Amino acid sequence: AQKITQTQPGMFVQEKEAVTLDCTYDTSDPSYGLFWYKQPSSGEMIFLIYQGSYDQQNATEGRYSLNFQKARKSANLVISASQLGDSAMYFCAMRAEYGNKLVFGAGTILRVKS
Amino acid sequence: DAGVIQSPRHEVTEMGQEVTLRCKPISGHNSLFWYRQTMMRGLELLIYFNNNVPIDDSGMPEDRFSAKMPNASFSTLKIQPSEPRDSAVYFCASSPWDRGLYEQYFGPGTRLTVT
Repeated sequence: AQKITQTQPGMFVQEKEAVTLDCTYDTSDPSYGLFWYKQPSSGEMIFLIYQGSYDQQNATEGRYSLNFQKARKSANLVISASQLGDSAMYFCAMRAEYGNKLVFGAGTILRVKS
Repeated sequence: DAGVIQSPRHEVTEMGQEVTLRCKPISGHNSLFWYRQTMMRGLELLIYFNNNVPIDDSGMPEDRFSAKMPNASFSTLKIQPSEPRDSAVYFCASSPWDRGLYEQYFGPGTRLTVT
């Protein structure tokens, strides 16, 4: 079975600073994908970044990067130069290559302070 | 390109009534997923289709819930009869391939309130 753990219920960060949102996972599948989604107060789920288990380099998408440490089974999201619009709930999720389910963590609420 | 389209965006109904939620996936995507989000249980996968065929419905909570995908561009999730505990946000998502690691694109969700 797959499991995602996000241990930070809520985080604060000062505008323009970087912030790391933690995510650890558990799976016995040899091949899997890790995803981060953003859910602002308006409710939609926005895909941010993806990391494959066999990717050699950490994924980056603009101000988002994924700090992937396979041995530690962690896939932390790093947001650089935080903006007020980054305030939202952030979900880490994983999916096995030969599975169908996207398993989500409980989420972390991020608040960016001006 | 249009994203995943869901309707209605908000639904308020009385206990015992039938509720039908609708979803149009992104054109060309052959996998479709229905999720439910509540404060207590977070995001849960209810059912998943591939090429219009239901593959995994183990997340469907009860027989009151049913889902169909009559063609590649339309799916419904029906609750009959509805109960207050069904109140939640229901998301539809689609992806281009099921066995692979493509991301799922979510619709805006339907906020269901059952009184």
